Amino acid sequence: AQKITQTQPGMFVQEKEAVTLDCTYDTSDQSYGLFWYKQPSSGEMIFLIYQGSYDEQNATEGRYSLNFQKARKSANLVISASQLGDSAMYFCAMTADSWGKLQFGAGTQVVVTP
Amino acid sequence: NAGVTQTPKFQVLKTGQSMTLQCAQDMNHNSMYWYRQDPGMGLRLIYYSASEGTTDKGEVPNGYNVSRLNKREFSLRLESAAPSQTSVYFCAVSSDRPNQPQHFGDGTRLSIL
Repeated sequence: AQKITQTQPGMFVQEKEAVTLDCTYDTSDQSYGLFWYKQPSSGEMIFLIYQGSYDEQNATEGRYSLNFQKARKSANLVISASQLGDSAMYFCAMTADSWGKLQFGAGTQVVVTP
Repeated sequence: NAGVTQTPKFQVLKTGQSMTLQCAQDMNHNSMYWYRQDPGMGLRLIYYSASEGTTDKGEVPNGYNVSRLNKREFSLRLESAAPSQTSVYFCAVSSDRPNQPQHFGDGTRLSIL
């Protein structure tokens, strides 16, 4: 069975600083995908970044990067130069089957302060 | 440019009432999913559909039924609502290619009294 763990329930970060959100996973599958989603207070789920288990380079999308350490089974999200609009809940998720079903972590609430 | 549309956005039911949540997509994707989100938890999969005419159970299917009416539409039905089903429900879609991101609707906030 797969499991996603996000150990940080909440974090405060100052504007313009970088923040790292932790995510560890457990799976026996060799092929899997790791995703990060953002959920602002308005409630919608916004896809941020994806990392495949066979990808050798860490994924990057603008200010978002994924620190993928396969041996440690971790997929931490790094947000650089935080902005007030980054305040949201962030979810790590993974899929390891051909049907694309996602398993989500419990999320980390990020609050960006001026 | 709607993407994934869920209706209604809010609903209050009494225990024992029935209700169908609607999801429609214009992204031409085969795979569709229903999730529920409870406070302090991530999303949990209720049912999914890999293509028109096929559905299968996810992690928390009890108390729900689904219908994949056509490629565009995937509905979730509560036959006899219970307070434990108070939650935010999300519909999502994705393409068939492996490890593609899912695109979510805005959610339906359902309260059962």
